[in-house]
Amino acid sequence: QVQLQESGPGLVKPSETLSLTCSVSGGSISSYQWSWIRQSPARGLEWIGYVYYSGTNNYNPTLMSRVSISVDTSKNQISLKMNSVTAADTAVYYCVGGGVSTRALDYWGQGTLVTVSS
Amino acid sequence: EIVLTQSPGTLSLSPGERATLSCRASVTISGTFLSWYQQKPGQAPRVLIYGASRRATGIPDRFSGSGSGTDFTLTISRLEPEDSAVYYCHQYGGTPRLTFGGGTKVEIK
Repeated sequence: QVQLQESGPGLVKPSETLSLTCSVSGGSISSYQWSWIRQSPARGLEWIGYVYYSGTNNYNPTLMSRVSISVDTSKNQISLKMNSVTAADTAVYYCVGGGVSTRALDYWGQGTLVTVSS
Repeated sequence: EIVLTQSPGTLSLSPGERATLSCRASVTISGTFLSWYQQKPGQAPRVLIYGASRRATGIPDRFSGSGSGTDFTLTISRLEPEDSAVYYCHQYGGTPRLTFGGGTKVEIK
């Protein structure tokens, strides 16, 4: 069973960079499409972007100028970096493993709350 | 952008009743990439249905999905107290590549 664990600072200052890491265990990182999805009361569930083990990315156009998602196959980790954050980026951030053929979001981390505040 | 509109916003039903949740897409989408999720308070969503009608592993058969084109439905045939949750539909395709509906909250009386 694939397990995902997000980690990173819970508090980020406005204009700074949000950095999160997702550790993958119990499954091959090459078998899935890895997304970051965030959830807030204002925006609901919002897809940020995904990466394949090959490093191929796709991002939400509304965020792509500020976001980078990468994969480290040696560590079985996926990383998210989002720069120039504002209070609107306050949300629970989920790391999610999706089926390459089904495109269903099969595996979710527990989520980590990131608050943007000075 | 493919917009998914879910209705109703809230559904309040008794145990044993049937729940019918709707997800309408702004354009015709492939049912192959339409899925449904259940989210309970304080938890991450979990997949219930993928490919519009295929139950995910371990999902009880009281959950079923149907639909095509722009109209998709999640049905819970006999509600149980543990079905109290928010349900989301999700599609893959278009730009942005993944989008979600706003959710339907199911309350058990």
